[in-house]
Amino acid sequence: GENVEQHPSTLSVQEGDSAVIKCTYSDSASNYFPWYKQELGKRPQLIIDIRSNVGEKKDQRIAVTLNKTAKHFSLHITETQPEDSAVYFCAASPSSGNTPLVFGKGTRLSVIA
Amino acid sequence: DAGVTQSPTHLIKTRGQQVTLRCSPKSGHDTVSWYQQALGQGPQFIFQYYEEEERQRGNFPDRFSGHQFPNYSSELNVNALLLGDSALYLCASTLNLADFYGYTFGSGTRLTVV
Repeated sequence: GENVEQHPSTLSVQEGDSAVIKCTYSDSASNYFPWYKQELGKRPQLIIDIRSNVGEKKDQRIAVTLNKTAKHFSLHITETQPEDSAVYFCAASPSSGNTPLVFGKGTRLSVIA
Repeated sequence: DAGVTQSPTHLIKTRGQQVTLRCSPKSGHDTVSWYQQALGQGPQFIFQYYEEEERQRGNFPDRFSGHQFPNYSSELNVNALLLGDSALYLCASTLNLADFYGYTFGSGTRLTVV
């Protein structure tokens, strides 16, 4: 089965700096890779996702890159703001609505003002 | 509003007891998945329901069981509760036959076993 490793477990950056979170996966059949943001006491919310036919996707200050050969994908947040502070989870799954996501253990991002 | 509603929001139970958690999927969604999120961990897949049947199951014991109703809502039951069952239980809904846009999660039920 799929196994997702996520690093680092905690990350502190100064406001305005960039943050990068990296994930690796084991199942070469996986071809859908979402990222979720979870604020304290709240539900995980999808912030960006990428499918295996795309190498990079960007949405304003957030970007995700995918290297299928190396089986790793990364989340990049530029110009970080205090409201970006949260726990971020990567996940992997074969791309179908009835296939469970396998999550990483999360990265606690702290943006210091 | 996420569109997925879960109840109750918080629950305290004693070891050995049984608990039932409830989930109503987002309007238009027909597939419900349940996840367990222990403190400081990522969500772990418990099982998934579609057309009132369990379709897939993660690595959880038989003490964890579920049900889906004709209106697509779902229940998660846990018998013989252990301290280690304390966690946030998340329900997620999707539309099974459509392109996969990602789960819509509910806000979860925080279960504490004492």
